[in-house]
Order: sequence, then C-alpha cells, then structure tokens
Amino acid sequence: QLQLQESGPGLVRPSETLSLTCTVSGGSISSNTYYWGWLRQPPGKGLEWIGSIFYSGSAYYNPSLQSRVTISIATSRTQFSLNLTSVTAADTAVYYCARDPARWTHYFDYWGQGALVTVSS
Amino acid sequence: DTQMTQSPSSLSASVGERVTITCRASQSISRYLNWYQQKPGKAPKLLIYAASTLQSGVPSRFSGSGSGTDFTLTISGLQLEDFATYSCQQTYSPPYTFGQGTKLEIK
Repeated sequence: QLQLQESGPGLVRPSETLSLTCTVSGGSISSNTYYWGWLRQPPGKGLEWIGSIFYSGSAYYNPSLQSRVTISIATSRTQFSLNLTSVTAADTAVYYCARDPARWTHYFDYWGQGALVTVSS
Repeated sequence: DTQMTQSPSSLSASVGERVTITCRASQSISRYLNWYQQKPGKAPKLLIYAASTLQSGVPSRFSGSGSGTDFTLTISGLQLEDFATYSCQQTYSPPYTFGQGTKLEIK
C-alpha cells in the first residue's frame, strides 16, 4: 500500500525558507507513470496546488508561486521535497504531498496526512 | 487561471437523502474535473476523476456528471460517513485550481 508522509519544521520565521520533505513508501518515485505534487490549505480555506514533478526531475509550478518555489527529487529516489523562499504569514497552511497517476488526465489519488507550517516570528 | 465556483457553500441534509453539489468553471475544461471529500483534520480523498469516473473503492452512491463548464456531484442515499466538505478541481490547464468547497452537514 502506497504511503506518503510529510516532514519538516512546523514553524518558519518570516522572510526565511520553508522546506518540507515527502517520504514515499510502498512504491517508487522512479516509475515513469507518476507525477508527485505539493498542495496546501490555509486554515479554514480551500486547497491550492503548488506544483508537481515527474520522476525525471521535470517540474512545473503554480505561476502565483513560481518565483519562490522549487520541487525536487532526492537522490534516494524515495523522497521529494518542497522549498518555498521568502515566506510570509500568508504561507501559513497545512502542506500536503500527493501522487498524480498522470494518465490522460491529472488527479491526486494518494495523499500524505499533511503538515501544518506556521510562519511567525 | 480557471476559476472554479461551487454551490452551495454549505448544505444540510438527512441520512438517506439524495444531494447534488454543483461546480462551475470560468472557461471550458472539457471533462478534466475531479471531486474530493475532506473530513476535519484529514487529507482530501479522491472520489471521482475525469468528471464521472469513480475512483477505486469509492461507494457507488457517489456519481459525477458534466462537461465544458458545468459539473455535478451527486450522493444518492446519504450515509453518516458522507458528512464532510467536498471540493472540485480542474486539471485542464495549470495551475490546477479548486473550488472553495461545499460543507455537507447533518440536518
């Protein structure tokens, strides 16, 4: 059974970089069938797609965040990560990693449990 | 960006009822529309993709329809475990955007 688990600091200071890692177990990031994505949900608000990465390392991002975000796959090939620079309070959210089977359409079928990241001094 | 608008924002219903939630896209998205269920403190769960394809393991009381700009999620015969927030998502073109959510509450 595929499982995803987010990890990283729960508190980040304004203007610093938010870094999260998603560990994938029960499956391989290296399969050329899947994309792997990051999404977030501010408290009490709707979901926002941040970006997705293919096993090859090719990534695409939400234009609203593109200047600040990087998604990468770790050399271990069991983890992928999110870096978001110059954070503000507006970046406070639950961050999710998820799998996209990337068939003829895109959707997220497996999700991590989520990691709350608070931006505060 | 494609804006997704759900209606209603909240809905009260009783066990056994049939309910319909609507999602409208600001431009045509063909059938690139997904539905998710989310319970408090939990990650979203995929219910339906490509407008009407039921995800494996999802009960058949959930169904989706629509194409272009107008879509619906129908739950036939509400069960207690169905009371949750439902969100639509378009994946026709990035950025993949979500509706604001519809909270389904027990009447």
